Amino acid sequence: GENVEQHPSTLSVQEGDSAVIKCTYSDSASNYFPWYKQELGKRPQLIIDIRSNVGEKKDQRIAVTLNKTAKHFSLHITETQPEDSAVYFCAAMRRGSTLGRLYFGRGTQLTVWP
Amino acid sequence: NAGVTQTPKFQVLKTGQSMTLQCAQDMNHEYMSWYRQDPGMGLRLIHYSVGAGITDQGEVPNGYNVSRSTTEDFPLRLLSAAPSQTSVYFCASSYGLDEQFFGPGTRLTVL
Repeated sequence: GENVEQHPSTLSVQEGDSAVIKCTYSDSASNYFPWYKQELGKRPQLIIDIRSNVGEKKDQRIAVTLNKTAKHFSLHITETQPEDSAVYFCAAMRRGSTLGRLYFGRGTQLTVWP
Repeated sequence: NAGVTQTPKFQVLKTGQSMTLQCAQDMNHEYMSWYRQDPGMGLRLIHYSVGAGITDQGEVPNGYNVSRSTTEDFPLRLLSAAPSQTSVYFCASSYGLDEQFFGPGTRLTVL
């Protein structure tokens, strides 16, 4: 099956700085890569996703890049704010398959200091 | 829409007891799944379903059963609870293989 590795496990940044979280995957057939944000005590919520036919996607201060050849993808948060503090999970899935399993990384605890 | 709902929010069991975690969604999603979340382990898939009457195992299925008799409901059964099943359980649903909407979670403690 798919194996998703996520780094770093913890990340501390000053407010206004950028934060980058990186993930690698093992299954070259995976073609859908979502990122979820989970605030303390809350449920995970999708913040951005990317499909394998796209190399980069942006949504305001958040961007995701995908390198299919190297099998890695990254989340970039610019101009970080204290409310960005949360656990972020990357995931990978092979869409179009009856299996439809979403494999998650182990998460990154992001802390943004004011 | 209520989205994805889960009951109970908290539960304490003794080793060997059985129970069912309830999950329901009102978005007419075909795809539903159960995850467990443990510190430092991320979200691990227990079981999932791609439609009524169809279920399959995920990464960590042992000790759990599921059934999907309707599109709306996807209960998770713990057959004989063990301390290793102490975790936070999330149910999720999606339209096709796309964004998954998570329920609020059930925090389970097995003594």
